[in-house]
Amino acid sequence: AQSVAQPEDQVNVAEGNPLTVKCTYSVSGNPYLFWYVQYPNRGLQFLLKYITGDNLVKGSYGFEAEFNKSQTSFHLKKPSALVSDSALYFCAVRPPSGTYKYIFGTGTRLKVLA
Amino acid sequence: EADIYQTPRYLVIGTGKKITLECSQTMGHDKMYWYQQDPGMELHLIHYSYGVNSTEKGDLSSESTVSRIRTEHFPLTLESARPSHTSQYLCASSESQGSGQPQHFGDGTRLSIL
Repeated sequence: AQSVAQPEDQVNVAEGNPLTVKCTYSVSGNPYLFWYVQYPNRGLQFLLKYITGDNLVKGSYGFEAEFNKSQTSFHLKKPSALVSDSALYFCAVRPPSGTYKYIFGTGTRLKVLA
Repeated sequence: EADIYQTPRYLVIGTGKKITLECSQTMGHDKMYWYQQDPGMELHLIHYSYGVNSTEKGDLSSESTVSRIRTEHFPLTLESARPSHTSQYLCASSESQGSGQPQHFGDGTRLSIL
């Protein structure tokens, strides 16, 4: 079965420190990979995506993500965390063909401490 | 900035009432989706549509129904609301053209059934 795993329910990081939010997937072929952020009482906002090409993709608000095909991972990173980055982050995958359904991870709550 | 709107944002209503949650998008996207999300928790796909007059049930069984008579409009209806329907409902849309288009989300409707 196709799935996306976000192994950490919560990640705590001090402001100014680098952050990583982990995501691994189990999808056949070369899927499209996405990260979204959700603030309280809001919908999900698109941060970045990987389609093909360079394994390091850059997105909104200084976030980037590293694709690793051999480890089937797509970890979200930021060099220097801000308190305002505190939110719920979702990794999502769309299989490359046959469906336009997106598979979401269970979400990771990021807490940046001042 | 995505143009996808959900109304109402909040609804508190009694058991047995008929409810319609509205979702409209102005981007001309042919793909539209409804997700159910308990606050701060994972998303569950309950309905999706690949175009006008096309609707499918999602991965999570739901007593709600949807319709897609116009490209821009994808309402969700509960014929008889029950307390178990209390949740947040998120609408999303995506474009078919091009590779790996992300979903765009509305800000959700938070539904409370008394």
